[in-house]
Amino acid sequence: DAGITQSPRHKVTETGTPVTLRCHQTENHRYMYWYRQDPGHGLRLIHYSYGVKDTDKGEVSDGYSVSRSKTEDFLLTLESATSSQTSVYFCAISEGTGLNQPQHFGDGTRLSIL
Amino acid sequence: AQSVTQLGSHVSVSEGALVLLRCNYSSSVPPYLFWYVQYPNQGLQLLLKYTSAATLVKGINGFEAEFKKSETSFHLTKPSAHMSDAAEYFCAVSYFGNEKLTFGTGTRLTIIP
Repeated sequence: DAGITQSPRHKVTETGTPVTLRCHQTENHRYMYWYRQDPGHGLRLIHYSYGVKDTDKGEVSDGYSVSRSKTEDFLLTLESATSSQTSVYFCAISEGTGLNQPQHFGDGTRLSIL
Repeated sequence: AQSVTQLGSHVSVSEGALVLLRCNYSSSVPPYLFWYVQYPNQGLQLLLKYTSAATLVKGINGFEAEFKKSETSFHLTKPSAHMSDAAEYFCAVSYFGNEKLTFGTGTRLTIIP
């Protein structure tokens, strides 16, 4: 999606190291989300934000933290990466929660933790 | 609580044949329902969404879905499959005022030449 940039697109790191993934949007949307995608599980919500400095947990938030200091940026941090956090991570944005405000997704970050 | 179940993690159809991908939902309030498609190494793209105005919803690329409250279903169909339809498809549910989407586990569609 042209309005959402995830960085890095690929990363390989070692167990126990900190990792930060960045999501940047140019749409000025209020809501931003982090998901992880794993085979057999679909997409599962990690954390989301409903405004600057306003965040909340999703269904698989353990081991992850987020920050949103600007409307356009939403950071996902793994404080001490574990092999179970090897996954593909997607950022999504939406204007609001109405039916005509669906979520739009970035192209993902493939994270491998050895 | 809300959830969706996608029946069949893998579906194969011949080129030109009917595509039918199944989705059943569970929601205690009137649902918003969505189908997303994911091509290899890409993010999810919205195919279509259910509005209460019409039970038959038309989306992009010739896909459509029918909302059936009595069956709690929102199955995705396309009359004639193309090779370019090969992808993974996700059904998702939400509801009014809820900022969170709940996704199904996905169905990988393979098109046989």
